[in-house]
Amino acid sequence: NAGVMQNPRHLVRRRGQEARLRCSPMKGHSHVYWYRQLPEEGLKFMVYLQKENIIDESGMPKERFSAEFPKEGPSILRIQQVVRGDSAAYFCASSPGQGGGYTFGSGTRLTVV
Amino acid sequence: AQSVTQLDSQVPVFEEAPVELRCNYSSSVSVYLFWYVQYPNQGLQLLLKYLSGSTLVESINGFEAEFNKSQTSFHLRKPSVHISDTAEYFCAVSPNNNAGNMLTFGGGTRLMVKP
Repeated sequence: NAGVMQNPRHLVRRRGQEARLRCSPMKGHSHVYWYRQLPEEGLKFMVYLQKENIIDESGMPKERFSAEFPKEGPSILRIQQVVRGDSAAYFCASSPGQGGGYTFGSGTRLTVV
Repeated sequence: AQSVTQLDSQVPVFEEAPVELRCNYSSSVSVYLFWYVQYPNQGLQLLLKYLSGSTLVESINGFEAEFNKSQTSFHLRKPSVHISDTAEYFCAVSPNNNAGNMLTFGGGTRLMVKP
């Protein structure tokens, strides 16, 4: 079992470019969560998805950010027109269902220059 | 809504000394409780969790945490730390219902074990 796979591990983007972060959940997991960790801070919830559905996006910034979890393929977190303040570590986690916590990936560290 | 407070942002301790990392939470509903550990430039690893049953939970590497409902606390302890325990530790809660698994994290405590 390969665990939760995130890629790329490191991503550098210039201001105004788009960033695409990918997350492949653990085998058998149909629930995916995205969290953001700003420097020297804890993780903040962004969005919760199940296959083809966004369940809760209460933590997502209203503009420039979007997420999807298609029927086939990985979950994608997309950030359009990145700004310096988007620089952070973005973690994905997956679970098989409700309750009990979940497994995190190793994260994607986005640097906006 | 839930909130988690980790009172100490940094805890320096000498090797083989005991340590306690404090965590308090507030919630209007019953919660599950978790401790995660993050080593430098890595993701979070689940250290231990309380879902139900015995209020004292243990991890395989000597850490333990006790759920105290009256004090709304879930402090993490280890009787004798090693250099390899140096890491960031995060306390987290999620609601004990079917509304989703979203975790609310504390700000983290950096454990620094000195030789």
